[in-house]
Amino acid sequence: SAVISQKPSRDICQRGTSLTIQCQVDSQVTMMFWYRQQPGQSLTLIATANQGSEATYESGFVIDKFPISRPNLTFSTLTVSNMSPEDSSIYLCSVGTGYEQYFGPGTRLTVT
Amino acid sequence: KQEVTQIPAALSVPEGENLVLNCSFTDSAIYNLQWFRQDPGKGLTSLLLIQSSQREQTSGRLNASLDKSSGRSTLYIAASQPGDSATYLCAVGSSNTGKLIFGQGTTLQVKP
Repeated sequence: SAVISQKPSRDICQRGTSLTIQCQVDSQVTMMFWYRQQPGQSLTLIATANQGSEATYESGFVIDKFPISRPNLTFSTLTVSNMSPEDSSIYLCSVGTGYEQYFGPGTRLTVT
Repeated sequence: KQEVTQIPAALSVPEGENLVLNCSFTDSAIYNLQWFRQDPGKGLTSLLLIQSSQREQTSGRLNASLDKSSGRSTLYIAASQPGDSATYLCAVGSSNTGKLIFGQGTTLQVKP
């Protein structure tokens, strides 16, 4: 298994600003992912964070809005840029170890 | 495009009952299927992982089955307890990329 931590755990931000969320894993992993969970909804994959190269984004998500860094095999950041109230969600980092996936505790973001 | 559906959306049962949560998926060419638990405002806890070649997995009072041909999985919870109250999410991995497609979840309430 893998132990994943995220910072911050929650934040309240003003529209038009940006927030960077950090994800730290206790072991080296190849696959890291970022998901979004909007209020009352299930999880949607934003992107796959690739070590040493640009992230791979899913349909509907773009790098200018959600820039991602993956400087090494244990760490990644997701930035939510130019925020609007529609970005209010829980953002979760996950890692794949072999077949199984493990999730961090999430970052609850509220945009006012 | 893979779609994952969970029925029912919500379920309320008295303590001690055995119960079944259902998950269906549209494309039977899956890599694996994973059941998660999510407590309110929290991240996801992995419960059971079933590889595409497996029929079922068991952990304690939980048993998950997989029928790829019919596009269905069930999560069986024996002797339910109030501590089982949470949202249960089914997620399908369609390839070895690690990407998961989630259902909408079943919110379970177990009453003492």
